[in-house]
Amino acid sequence: AQSVAQPEDQVNVAEGNPLTVKCTYSVSGNPYLFWYVQYPNRGLQFLLKYITGDNLVKGSYGFEAEFNKSQTSFHLKKPSALVSDSALYFCAVRPNSGGYQKVTFGIGTKLQVIP
Amino acid sequence: EPEVTQTPSHQVTQMGQEVILRCVPISNHLYFYWYRQILGQKVEFLVSFYNNEISEKSEIFDDQFSVERPDGSNFTLKIRSTKLEDSAMYFCASSDPPGQGLNTGELFFGEGSRLTVL
Repeated sequence: AQSVAQPEDQVNVAEGNPLTVKCTYSVSGNPYLFWYVQYPNRGLQFLLKYITGDNLVKGSYGFEAEFNKSQTSFHLKKPSALVSDSALYFCAVRPNSGGYQKVTFGIGTKLQVIP
Repeated sequence: EPEVTQTPSHQVTQMGQEVILRCVPISNHLYFYWYRQILGQKVEFLVSFYNNEISEKSEIFDDQFSVERPDGSNFTLKIRSTKLEDSAMYFCASSDPPGQGLNTGELFFGEGSRLTVL
């Protein structure tokens, strides 16, 4: 069975500092990996995805994520945090195989950017 | 930009009543999903739907729940007899068929329907 772990319930970072939100995964075979962001009282918005190839993936709002196959990780990063980045972030995985495969989400990490 | 729309945005109901939550997925998507989120916490999978039948359902999705695609655009979630613990935010999502070319089947979510059971 596939799973996603987000080991930090909350990450606090000062505005302007780099941020990292951690994610590790478990899946049979190769993964498709995703990051979503949820602002208060809103739905989940797709940020970025890893398919294959370059391990550094760039997405919306200046976010990027680094795929590390040996560590089965897909950490979300941003070089300089903004207060408006404060939100709930979800990592998700599905197997890289044809046909229907469920997308499994982590429990979410609350990012708090301090002015 | 195409989007998933959900109605109602908020519904308050009495325990034991039936509730129907409605969703209009992105028009060319073929997979449809319901997830729920309790108190801004983890996002829990309920059910996926493809080709007019359930592809997969979780243990949460018991006999009190049902899904339907009554026409070419709507996708509904029915809770037959609501319980207090059904209070949550319910999210509909849709996706392209995964595994075709660069399509990874990522989900596109609606803004959610908040269900409050009293």
